Amino acid sequence: DGGITQSPKYLFRKEGQNVTLSCEQNLNHDAMYWYRQDPGQGLRLIYYSQIVNDFQKGDIAEGYSVSREKKESFPLTVTSAQKNPTAFYLCASSIGAGGAGSNQPQHFGDGTRLSIL
Amino acid sequence: RKEVEQDPGPFNVPEGATVAFNCTYSNSASQSFFWYRQDCRKEPKLLMSVYSSGNEDGRFTAQLNRASQYISLLIRDSKLSDSATYLCYPSGGYNKLIFGAGTRLAVHP
Repeated sequence: DGGITQSPKYLFRKEGQNVTLSCEQNLNHDAMYWYRQDPGQGLRLIYYSQIVNDFQKGDIAEGYSVSREKKESFPLTVTSAQKNPTAFYLCASSIGAGGAGSNQPQHFGDGTRLSIL
Repeated sequence: RKEVEQDPGPFNVPEGATVAFNCTYSNSASQSFFWYRQDCRKEPKLLMSVYSSGNEDGRFTAQLNRASQYISLLIRDSKLSDSATYLCYPSGGYNKLIFGAGTRLAVHP
């Protein structure tokens, strides 16, 4: 069954700790994205990747890092520099990398809720 | 002006009512448009895609007005299960990955 898997579903971060959120897709999509959603708010783009070994900053990249070593995987690390990490984190993917492919819909994983201990 | 604007609502409607939401966008280069449904504390799920003037799927109709740069979503015969937040996404390429903040719909008995 094709889809996007995010883990863990819930994550707690201690002061000064880096944590990594996993995102795996088996849809053979080229593009992957990370969004942050705060309660009652819209989606804010953290990072996106159009192709393996390449990624771009979104609107709120500070305090976050990503890697794209494999097509199917796009992990997000929330570093200790992110002072307000409590949020709902959503990973998405879409077909294509540029051109017409960039006008395709995004499909979302079921999210990770991160809280501070 | 925000790049993508939606009325946050909530739209409170009785079961069986017809309700419509609009979404205005500023990027005239947007070619594809999408409506998503997001339930409380869940991920957004793709509801409808609009690539030309409009699209209809059962009780749901999406319309595109390129001249005025807005898309609309019409829901007929509202059900309790339609209660959710509806996000619009005017896709404008990788330099414009912006979702609307959503319109909340509450359908009551």
